[in-house]
Amino acid sequence: NAGVTQTPKFQVLKTGQSMTLQCAQDMNHEYMSWYRQDPGMGLRLIHYSVGAGITDQGEVPNGYNVSRSTTEDFPLRLLSAAPSQTSVYFCASESPLSTEAFFGQGTRLTVV
Amino acid sequence: AQTVTQSQPEMSVQEAETVTLSCTYDTSESDYYLFWYKQPPSRQMILVIRQEAYKQQNATENRFSVNFQKAAKSFSLKISDSQLGDAAMYFCAAFIIQGAQKLVFGQGTRLTINP
Repeated sequence: NAGVTQTPKFQVLKTGQSMTLQCAQDMNHEYMSWYRQDPGMGLRLIHYSVGAGITDQGEVPNGYNVSRSTTEDFPLRLLSAAPSQTSVYFCASESPLSTEAFFGQGTRLTVV
Repeated sequence: AQTVTQSQPEMSVQEAETVTLSCTYDTSESDYYLFWYKQPPSRQMILVIRQEAYKQQNATENRFSVNFQKAAKSFSLKISDSQLGDAAMYFCAAFIIQGAQKLVFGQGTRLTINP
């Protein structure tokens, strides 16, 4: 059981570049979300989805886009990377029965 | 909006001793879940313990237990018989069932275990 698979694990971007962080889960969870983790600020919600075709903004959505065409996948797109987006990014999916969140291994993104 | 606050950026404890990590939250909803997650240096997020708001009994998982004070909106984590492997970042989180379902995290507490 793979759980939540998040790729890549590390990435360095130049300012202005775009990229997509991939997230896939094989647990048939309807709820998926993206967080960024910065020192002293915990995990902050970027975007989330309660099912295929449904997405909504979290606390810090600016500079990021998401889509949810299937239950399994929830990619996060950085449109034009900025140094302020240097962070560790986590994807998570959640069981509706236990409400336990399952996390990917995280992506350490550096924007130079 | 829901908020979760951890007021202790860092804590330390002697091995085999007991430590309590604090967490307060704010929500106007009545149906929610509370969690403590552990993040070791590997960066993996690990669920430590979960508490349903409708349950009065405090959750317990082996050496980990919570003190859930619903009226005070407080949810502290007690780690008994601390072990070196308990060293990690600990995050308190709340998931609100009604309305926009979001899992909201606190700022985290870095726990150091002194041998």
